Amino acid sequence: KAGVTQTPRYLIKTRGQQVTLSCSPISGHRSVSWYQQTPGQGLQFLFEYFSETQRNKGNFPGRFSGRQFSNSRSEMNVSTLELGDSALYLCASSLGYPDAETQYFGPGTRLLVL
Amino acid sequence: DAKTTQPTSMDCAEGRAANLPCNHSTISGNEYVYWYRQIHSQGPQYIIHGLKNNETNEMASLIITEDRKSSTLILPHATLRDTAVYYCIVGGSNTGFQKLVFGTGTRLLVSP
Repeated sequence: KAGVTQTPRYLIKTRGQQVTLSCSPISGHRSVSWYQQTPGQGLQFLFEYFSETQRNKGNFPGRFSGRQFSNSRSEMNVSTLELGDSALYLCASSLGYPDAETQYFGPGTRLLVL
Repeated sequence: DAKTTQPTSMDCAEGRAANLPCNHSTISGNEYVYWYRQIHSQGPQYIIHGLKNNETNEMASLIITEDRKSSTLILPHATLRDTAVYYCIVGGSNTGFQKLVFGTGTRLLVSP
């Protein structure tokens, strides 16, 4: 099976812009989670989608949003980018139920905000 | 907040067993212990998980104490490619999604 894929792999944006990141889960996986990783805060959970519904959300401002499509592919959007949004954004997929926490991560999208 | 405590770093000689400890004294009865690792600049990789019994797969073994307050991940024959940050995570209940809370992990360095 192909693994989790994320596009783009690298991205440079300027403050105030918005960005959309894409994630394609492993075939058959219905759950997609998003994480942000920074040197200062480590790996932090953003949100999780299962069957097009957000099931769980981390402690991030409303500028961070996501969605999931009927084919389980997911996108996350960050509006009004800030310098502090520079990070590695990771997507993970899982079957979703019952073993939702066995997650398979993609390689990540590295976002640099200037 | 992470519900686990792990040593910041450990060293291991190539070919020897690497034993990575984790304390999770506040684990509840239906929570699992998960182990993930992250090799530099890559996404985390699932290793193994367990509830009460010891578990083994092609990557590692997981030993959970009888009181479930601590566990040990064992890499039986460490290689240089096992150099990574290892995360012990408590969560999940088999009834729905519980977000993974990553702590700071243990940085394992495998040397020749």
